[in-house]
Amino acid sequence: AQSVTQLDSQVPVFEEAPVELRCNYSSSVSVYLFWYVQYPNQGLQLLLKYLSGSTLVESINGFEAEFNKSQTSFHLRKPSVHISDTAEYFCAVSVRAGGFKTIFGAGTRLFVKA
Amino acid sequence: GAGVSQSPSNKVTEKGKDVELRCDPISGHTALYWYRQRLGQGLEFLIYFQGNSAPDKSGLPSDRFSAERTGESVSTLTIQRTQQEDSAVYLCASSPLGLVGNEQFFGPGTRLTVL
Repeated sequence: AQSVTQLDSQVPVFEEAPVELRCNYSSSVSVYLFWYVQYPNQGLQLLLKYLSGSTLVESINGFEAEFNKSQTSFHLRKPSVHISDTAEYFCAVSVRAGGFKTIFGAGTRLFVKA
Repeated sequence: GAGVSQSPSNKVTEKGKDVELRCDPISGHTALYWYRQRLGQGLEFLIYFQGNSAPDKSGLPSDRFSAERTGESVSTLTIQRTQQEDSAVYLCASSPLGLVGNEQFFGPGTRLTVL
């Protein structure tokens, strides 16, 4: 069975500091990887995804994530965060194994302080 | 265009009552998903509809939970004889093709509180 582990439930960080939100997964088949973001009082929305090709993927607001197959990780990074990045971030794994299912991690709450 | 909508946004009910939650997916999206998000926890997959195929019900936690979808439009999630542990935010998402790797578009959720 597939699983997703987000190692940090909360990450407080000062504005303009770098941040890394960790995500590890387990799967016996090929995976597709996603990061979704949920801003306060808003619904979940896609931040970035890895389907194939380049293992480094980027979002339009400066986040990036790298698929590391050997370490089964898909950590999310940003070199300099803004107050507006305060949100909950969910890592997700999709697999094509018979039926279809997306497994979400428990989420990491990023809190950016001034 | 309109996104995924869910109603009601909040529902408070008494233990033992039945509730119906509604999801209107984005027009043209063939796939529809229901998730449950308990306080402080991740999203728990409940059920998946893809076109006219039989739904994947493997995530439904008990036979008190059921869901229906009319064609490729509205879906309702029904919880019978609600229990306090059913309290959660119920999220609906839709996807244009339902294939692995497609982005899911989420609704705002229905917050269910069972007293």
